[in-house]
Amino acid sequence: DAGVIQSPRHEVTEMGQEVTLRCKPISGHDYLFWYRQTMMRGLELLIYFNNNVPIDDSGMPEDRFSAKMPNASFSTLKIQPSEPRDSAVYFCASSPPGPSPYNEQFFGPGTRLTVL
Amino acid sequence: GQQVMQIPQYQHVQEGEDFTTYCNSSTTLSNIQWYKQRPGGHPVFLIQLVKSGEVKKQKRLTFQFGEAKKNSSLHITATQTTDVGTYFCAGPNTGGFKTIFGAGTRLFVKA
Repeated sequence: DAGVIQSPRHEVTEMGQEVTLRCKPISGHDYLFWYRQTMMRGLELLIYFNNNVPIDDSGMPEDRFSAKMPNASFSTLKIQPSEPRDSAVYFCASSPPGPSPYNEQFFGPGTRLTVL
Repeated sequence: GQQVMQIPQYQHVQEGEDFTTYCNSSTTLSNIQWYKQRPGGHPVFLIQLVKSGEVKKQKRLTFQFGEAKKNSSLHITATQTTDVGTYFCAGPNTGGFKTIFGAGTRLFVKA
């Protein structure tokens, strides 16, 4: 298995630019999670999907952030416009089907975002 | 909202010494998970505990779930340099339907 795939692995952009992060979950998994990790705030859950439907987006910082999952094999996290405080490592994770989202989560390698 | 607290934040040990990290919740947890993240890497699932008082072992790692299901611990016997990284506990949010990660304990092992 290829595991969770994220792209790009690194992104450097200037303040005000749009940033799109991409994720391909493990085939057969029906939960998909987006996390942000910083030294100050640790690992924060931004949003998660079940069967392509957003279930909880209460962790999304503000309207500049949006996430979509058009199909079972692809999700995007978009930041528009980006700001320096958005600099972080963004992880995508997926987990297999189950009665709840409390199953083991498989994390992707992450995207390191730097906003100048 | 429900939080999962981890202590200590950092731990420096000499190779061969033991290490323990603790995870505490203000509410009862239906389950708890442990993850390890190597420096520069991503979190990797280690184990999930479900039952009150449960103890599970993985080689030199011992995981415990408290009787009241409000706390958990991870103990590493005779640490090795390969054990370096950050260990996270994670539990379900009682106010919602999601998993909350603790702040993590970063382990440094000196050879």
